[in-house]
Amino acid sequence: DGGITQSPKYLFRKEGQNVTLSCEQNLNHDAMYWYRQDPGQGLRLIYYSQIVNDFQKGDIAEGYSVSREKKESFPLTVTSAQKNPTAFYLCASSTTGALNEKLFFGSGTQLSVL
Amino acid sequence: GQQVMQIPQYQHVQEGEDFTTYCNSSTTLSNIQWYKQRPGGHPVFLIQLVKSGEVKKQKRLTFQFGEAKKNSSLHITATQTTDVGTYFCAGRGGNKLVFGAGTILRVKS
Repeated sequence: DGGITQSPKYLFRKEGQNVTLSCEQNLNHDAMYWYRQDPGQGLRLIYYSQIVNDFQKGDIAEGYSVSREKKESFPLTVTSAQKNPTAFYLCASSTTGALNEKLFFGSGTQLSVL
Repeated sequence: GQQVMQIPQYQHVQEGEDFTTYCNSSTTLSNIQWYKQRPGGHPVFLIQLVKSGEVKKQKRLTFQFGEAKKNSSLHITATQTTDVGTYFCAGRGGNKLVFGAGTILRVKS
């Protein structure tokens, strides 16, 4: 069954701690994205990648880091530099990253600060 | 930078009533997409509009793209309880896809 798998579903971060959110896709898509969703706001782009070993900053990249070592995987690390990390994080993919493509979303990870 | 405003933020309707959400962009868009997010779920693609003045229908849902390609609307006829969720527009201008804040739809049965 093709799709995007995010884990964990819920994650708690302690002060000063880095945490990593997992995103795996078996759709054979080249492009992958990370979005942050806050209540009452639209989805905001954190990072995106259109090819293995390459990625670009989105609109709110500060305090986050990513890697793209494999086509299927695009993990997001929320670093201690991100002072307001509580949010719902959504991973998405599209076929090539072309401008007219639709996005496929994972089921999301809710990150909360202890 | 490019902004996409979406209204209303929230709407509560009686089952059977119609519902409309509107998106307005500060810049001309090359296309606009619509997504639906069920409560507790993730956004799911509904449709993409590309042409000026384009109108597309999916059963009870009607999507429009303005003549100037700066605004769009989603209209649901005779809402059902299965329509509940948040509806997002996402406008493509240049190489950026910018999401509206979404309209939360609640349906009273």
